[in-house]
Amino acid sequence: GEQVEQRPPHLSVPEGDSAVIICTYTDSATAYFYWYKQEPGAGLQLLMSVFSNVDRKEEQGLTVLLNKKDKQLSLNLTAAHPGDSAVYFCAVSAGGYQNFYFGKGTSLTVIP
Amino acid sequence: NAGVIQTPRHKVTGKGQEATLWCEPISGHSAVFWYRQTIVQGLEFLTYFRNQAPIDDSGMPKERFSAQMPNQSHSTLKIQSTQPQDSAVYLCASSLCWGGAPETLYFGSGTRLTVL
Repeated sequence: GEQVEQRPPHLSVPEGDSAVIICTYTDSATAYFYWYKQEPGAGLQLLMSVFSNVDRKEEQGLTVLLNKKDKQLSLNLTAAHPGDSAVYFCAVSAGGYQNFYFGKGTSLTVIP
Repeated sequence: NAGVIQTPRHKVTGKGQEATLWCEPISGHSAVFWYRQTIVQGLEFLTYFRNQAPIDDSGMPKERFSAQMPNQSHSTLKIQSTQPQDSAVYLCASSLCWGGAPETLYFGSGTRLTVL
């Protein structure tokens, strides 16, 4: 079955710096890609979703890159601020009736 | 749109007691997923319903855990004879289905279960 690896597990950056989180997956049939943010005591909030025909997507200071050849998905937070401190998860799905598979999460701390 | 609603937010049970967790999906969403979240294991898939029918329960522990979706407005996860290792945050998510297949998952805030 699908295996999703996410790195790093912990990331600390100064305010204003960028933060990069990377996920790799194994199933070449994977077609849907997601990034979620989880703040303490809350559920997972969808940040961005990307379909496999997109290599790059930017929204509100976030950039998602998809490298299908290397089966790698990345999230880049440009100019991070303390409000970005949270746990970030990637998720993938092959679509259809297939399940969603999650990475283990990255705990991001943005230092003021 | 109130989002996915999970109740209770916190539940404390004694070892051996039963716990029932509730989930109200977003109106119009026909797929409901249950996940368990712990620090050690991360997010673990438990089970998934589509149009109230169970589709995949491969993540459900075979004993003590059961899930139902009696109508399109709520799903329940029941844990019988709770054990300390069941302590976790249980997350429910719902999704629209296009052509019968689930799309993006939207999560509730979770129920934190503590078994003493």
